[in-house]
Amino acid sequence: GAVVSQHPSWVICKSGTSVKIECRSLDFQATTMFWYRQFPKQSLMLMATSNEGSKATYEQGVEKDKFLINHASLTLSTLTVTSAHPEDSSFYICSAMAGSSGNTEAFFGQGTRLTVV
Amino acid sequence: QKEVEQNSGPLSVPEGAIASLNCTYSDRGSQSFFWYRQYSGKSPELIMSIYSNGDKEDGRFTAQLNKASQYVSLLIRDSQPSDSATYLCAVNRNYQLIWGAGTKLIIKP
Repeated sequence: GAVVSQHPSWVICKSGTSVKIECRSLDFQATTMFWYRQFPKQSLMLMATSNEGSKATYEQGVEKDKFLINHASLTLSTLTVTSAHPEDSSFYICSAMAGSSGNTEAFFGQGTRLTVV
Repeated sequence: QKEVEQNSGPLSVPEGAIASLNCTYSDRGSQSFFWYRQYSGKSPELIMSIYSNGDKEDGRFTAQLNKASQYVSLLIRDSQPSDSATYLCAVNRNYQLIWGAGTKLIIKP
């Protein structure tokens, strides 16, 4: 399958600081990228969907000013958690889709475990 | 009614047996269907995709799709302890992936 690289794989930051997570599609062009959050023993929760060159679409309840998403190119999307707090500690996962038809698979990055202290 | 439904399990299957995982979806306009496997603490991994009615086989995995009945299933033959994971069903509708909550599968040696 296609490769999606996500960095960093884990990060610890102080409360009030910002953290940037990168998601790259290495061998295909990702017209659509998704950002998920997953708390322990819970299901994936979609945070936002981003298309290259346009603003991200956020799911209900996700603060767009806190979780900044940039999809500047067909191979790179970034998620910045601004003014992080301990309740933002979670497993953040990106996935990328090369959308040109209805039969489109999505591939996941390795995930980023964020701990805010 | 959730758009994509799965039994949360856990589903316990003895090693070497066939594990059968089921998923139903509500939107008849759904175009493509996927099974992902997620190990604890890891991100999901695509294991099967299916787009048309019938069976699709890949090694020990077989995906089955029945659009009339709106269900998709995954069979795992000769189950191994390494197959123990949460299996997520996803449905592509207009380039959005709609997820089931996942079924936890436990393969007992």
